[in-house]
Amino acid sequence: GQSLEQPSEVTAVEGAIVQINCTYQTSGFYGLSWYQQHDGGAPTFLSYNALDGLEETGRFSSFLSRSDSYGYLLLQELQMKDSASYFCAVRARPFFSGGYNKLIFGAGTRLAVHP
Amino acid sequence: EAQVTQNPRYLITVTGKKLTVTCSQNMNHEYMSWYRQDPGLGLRQIYYSMNVEVTDKGDVPEGYKVSRKEKRNFPLILESPSPNQTSLYFCASSTLRETNLNTEAFFGQGTRLTVV
Repeated sequence: GQSLEQPSEVTAVEGAIVQINCTYQTSGFYGLSWYQQHDGGAPTFLSYNALDGLEETGRFSSFLSRSDSYGYLLLQELQMKDSASYFCAVRARPFFSGGYNKLIFGAGTRLAVHP
Repeated sequence: EAQVTQNPRYLITVTGKKLTVTCSQNMNHEYMSWYRQDPGLGLRQIYYSMNVEVTDKGDVPEGYKVSRKEKRNFPLILESPSPNQTSLYFCASSTLRETNLNTEAFFGQGTRLTVV
C-alpha cells in the first residue's frame, strides 16, 4: 500500500531553524513535494524533489533520499508568518493504479512559531 | 491569472439533497482531482481525472461522483449527501507530461460543506 508519515506538530521560536521529516512508502515513486497551508487557506506549492539531494529556495530547503524513502523540509530564520500546516506529498504511479500517476498527501505537520 | 475556481465556498445542506460543487481551471491542465480535508487526516483523494472522459477513484470515493466532459471543468457530485460528508473540499489541477516531473498542483480556495 501507500503511506506517508510526518510529525503532527512542531513548535519553534522566531529566528530558529526547524526540520520537518517525511517518510513514505509507495510503488512507482516519481518525487516528493511540499505544500504549505495557512488556516482557512488552500495548500500552496513549496518545492519538489525528484532526485536525491538538497534543493534550496530562499529560507526553505527540501531534501530527498530515494534509497531511504525519506525527505525533509528545512525552514530557516523562522518568521511568525511561517506558522502553518506543511504537507509532504509523493507523486507516484502505484502498480495498482492502472498506469495513472497520483499525488498522495501526508496528514500534515502543524508548525507553530512563537516570539 | 492562473487559477482554480471552486464554487460555492460555503454550503449547508440537508441529508439526501443532491448537490454539485463546481471546479474550473484556466491552465489547460490534464490532471484534476478532488480532495477532502478532515482534522488529523490530511488531504485524502476522492477522485481524479487524467483527461477528458478519463476518471478514476481515489482513496475515499464512496458517496461521490465526478465527470470530466470538458478539460477545464471537473464537478464533484454528491447524489445523496450524509453528515459524514461534512468536510472541507479542495479541487486541484496540474500538468501530466511525463517528461516534466515538477508537476506543481494548483488548488482551489476550498468548499466548506456542512450536511445536517
